[in-house]
Amino acid sequence: DAKTTQPPSMDCAEGRAANLPCNHSTISGNEYVYWYRQIHSQGPQYIIHGLKNNETNEMASLIITEDRKSSTLILPHATLRDTAVYYCIVIRIADKLIFGTGTRLQVFP
Amino acid sequence: GAVVSQHPSWVICKSGTSVKIECRSLDFQATTMFWYRQFPKQSLMLMATSNEGSKATYEQGVEKDKFLINHASLTLSTLTVTSAHPEDSSFYICSARVMNEQFFGPGTRLTVL
Repeated sequence: DAKTTQPPSMDCAEGRAANLPCNHSTISGNEYVYWYRQIHSQGPQYIIHGLKNNETNEMASLIITEDRKSSTLILPHATLRDTAVYYCIVIRIADKLIFGTGTRLQVFP
Repeated sequence: GAVVSQHPSWVICKSGTSVKIECRSLDFQATTMFWYRQFPKQSLMLMATSNEGSKATYEQGVEKDKFLINHASLTLSTLTVTSAHPEDSSFYICSARVMNEQFFGPGTRLTVL
């Protein structure tokens, strides 16, 4: 599986967009980019995933660069409840999820 | 999304006893479930992959005789921590795969005294 690199922590003001970057320069053609988040003392929550096209759902948008070596998860209007650790994971479909250290996002009032 | 439950949500036990944690898929059938462990301020570590009707596959370094996994039905997988010790105290999380997504349970916090 491709390795990902994420900043250890980020801050975001409530109501603003949170843009969480992820580098995956060794991603291969059949690997997807998945994003999960974990709120303190809870199980991880699926957010979104994509292969090469940008994706959007009710929670977030995923922007994948054309060369697929990096991506950005966008929470359009962050709330205090979005404070969590966000994990970017690159895997082939149906592979098991291996979690890195993620980005700790703190949303402040 | 699909719902995965775990029971109990927390448990305290004495050293040397065994503890069973249940993981259920509530509104779907899961042929594959996963068990993770998470220590404070650390990321999730995959322990094993549980396949319905067959033996679990353990990750390197995980003792299969200590962490017994049973996946007897398409909606239930159990993890039994045998002869628990204080160093087994952790947050145990299961997940189930549906199509191309993995859904996670709320976790079970185990404290071994």
